[in-house]
Amino acid sequence: SQKIEQNSEALNIQEGKTATLTCNYTNYSPAYLQWYRQDPGRGPVFLLLIRENEKEKRKERLKVTFDTTLKQSLFHITASQPADSATYLCALDRGGGSQGNLIFGKGTKLSVKP
Amino acid sequence: EAGVVQSPRYKIIEKKQPVAFWCNPISGHNTLYWYLQNLGQGPELLIRYENEEAVDDSQLPKDRFSAERLKGVDSTLKIQPAELGDSAVYLCASSKGQGAYNEQFFGPGTRLTVL
Repeated sequence: SQKIEQNSEALNIQEGKTATLTCNYTNYSPAYLQWYRQDPGRGPVFLLLIRENEKEKRKERLKVTFDTTLKQSLFHITASQPADSATYLCALDRGGGSQGNLIFGKGTKLSVKP
Repeated sequence: EAGVVQSPRYKIIEKKQPVAFWCNPISGHNTLYWYLQNLGQGPELLIRYENEEAVDDSQLPKDRFSAERLKGVDSTLKIQPAELGDSAVYLCASSKGQGAYNEQFFGPGTRLTVL
């Protein structure tokens, strides 16, 4: 069956450290993978998109990798801050990428302690 | 630029009552999505519109759910009659195009509680 798994429901780290979130998938062949941030009571906010032929993408303190062999994406936040505390969702397309139907993981709740 | 607008933000109804949610997407966004999000879960797609056409409603429980997007702008999602299990957050999102390379912009959602 098709499945998306995000490594843990919750991740607690100390301010200044690097947070690493994992997204694994099975039985999909996505052309694109997206990461979103969701704060309580709000809708998800887009952060980064990475294509199947890209190994790595960066944006300020964020970095995402995409390994289609391992069927895994890693999302890194360097020099983490308490303001980074939120739930992070990975989402991928069903394959082909021509349609916008994204499948979302359950999310990982990140808490950054000062 | 105004974001995706949804109303109401909260709705509490008795089971078997009807309920409707409204969404106004970002201006110029042709693609509109309705998602359902249960607590501790990611959003699940209910229906996707390209302009006024529903191009994917395979996950919409059509016995009680309906949606429309007249004139290809605003959209309404309706549940009739509501059941206890429909309690969730209903999210609307829009994007410039339908490809999965387009980022989706989400509204704040409507939190529905069915008693």
